[in-house]
Amino acid sequence: KAGVTQTPRYLIKTRGQQVTLSCSPISGHRSVSWYQQTPGQGLQFLFEYFSETQRNKGNFPGRFSGRQFSNSRSEMNVSTLELGDSALYLCASSLGGRANEQFFGPGTRLTVL
Amino acid sequence: GQNIDQPTEMTATEGAIVQINCTYQTSGFNGLFWYQQHAGEAPTFLSYNVLDGLEEKGRFSSFLSRSKGYSYLLLKELQMKDSASYLCAVRGLYNDYKLSFGAGTTVTVRA
Repeated sequence: KAGVTQTPRYLIKTRGQQVTLSCSPISGHRSVSWYQQTPGQGLQFLFEYFSETQRNKGNFPGRFSGRQFSNSRSEMNVSTLELGDSALYLCASSLGGRANEQFFGPGTRLTVL
Repeated sequence: GQNIDQPTEMTATEGAIVQINCTYQTSGFNGLFWYQQHAGEAPTFLSYNVLDGLEEKGRFSSFLSRSKGYSYLLLKELQMKDSASYLCAVRGLYNDYKLSFGAGTTVTVRA
């Protein structure tokens, strides 16, 4: 069974640009969560989608948005990039419902110059 | 909201035992998770506790006391490959699928 895949793995952007990251969950998983990981803040929850609906949202500005498609694949978008957005962006999938385990993808390393 | 505390770093010798503590304050509680993350890799699931007590899984055990807002992860018979960051995460009651993570504990295993 294939794991969670994220593309691209590495990305370099400049301030003011926008970026779109993609996540393909494990087959059959309907829940996708996004996290930002930085050395200073650790893992911070961005948002979670289930069956194309955003169920939970973390404390991030409106520049961070996401969506989920009918095949459960998810994208997150960051507009007007800032230097502080440089981070590892992790996607995690689970069956949903009351499933306990989230499976993480390898992440996308975003560098903003 | 959630407030989760765990030590920043711990060092132990190969073959020894290390206990990583995690304390939390939450507005609701629906489970505590431990994840392992090697440098440059994604976190991997280690354990889940929702009721008080000890859950054992091979060399790793996790304990939970809900009344004290306290958990620990016990790593036995340490191996060099156990050098990693260990993340404690809490799931809130009214945000079932949102995990709040602690900053992580970096464990270094020395020969």
